[in-house]
Amino acid sequence: SAVISQKPSRDICQRGTSLTIQCQVDSQVTMMFWYRQQPGQSLTLIATANQGSEATYESGFVIDKFPISRPNLTFSTLTVSNMSPEDSSIYLCSFRPPGSSVEQYFGPGTRLTVT
Amino acid sequence: GQNIDQPTEMTATEGAIVQINCTYQTSGFNGLFWYQQHAGEAPTFLSYNVLDGLEEKGRFSSFLSRSKGYSYLLLKELQMKDSASYLCAAMDSNYQLIWGAGTKLIIKP
Repeated sequence: SAVISQKPSRDICQRGTSLTIQCQVDSQVTMMFWYRQQPGQSLTLIATANQGSEATYESGFVIDKFPISRPNLTFSTLTVSNMSPEDSSIYLCSFRPPGSSVEQYFGPGTRLTVT
Repeated sequence: GQNIDQPTEMTATEGAIVQINCTYQTSGFNGLFWYQQHAGEAPTFLSYNVLDGLEEKGRFSSFLSRSKGYSYLLLKELQMKDSASYLCAAMDSNYQLIWGAGTKLIIKP
């Protein structure tokens, strides 16, 4: 099965700055997803990132705030821009393995604290 | 609208059996997932049901009734390491996962 990693694992950032989170999968995958999980809550999908096309954002999330890159089939980045304390959360990348239309696997997450 | 309901928290005793229920309402349906999430870690895939009935996988089993919009996760021979949150998620007609808020399972010795 594919292995997925994220960097950084955690960070503490100042209000108004931006952070780029990297997600690397060790095999080629078509569909990658970015989620946010606030403390004690479930997962909220930010956007779907397919290689070769613009990311599709969910209601409440916009490209200016959460720009996403998907330069190839193994890598994606999510930037959290102009951060505020409300952006403090765990950010998770996820993918569907090749040949599977349903199962999703998650990276270890990035714990972001904005002060 | 789309909605997933599951209990917020459950407590069980080591060695016992616990059933975590989940009801769902989605626009179309392409299956029901259960994930386990230990505190501070990413969710890990446990099971997937798309047809009615019970799927058994070791100590864990998952049941689905499509007509009732209902699923449960059954954990047998509970161990302390089973203390975690269990997330129910239904896949809609667009193959998007709709997530429940999770059930925090506390195992007591």
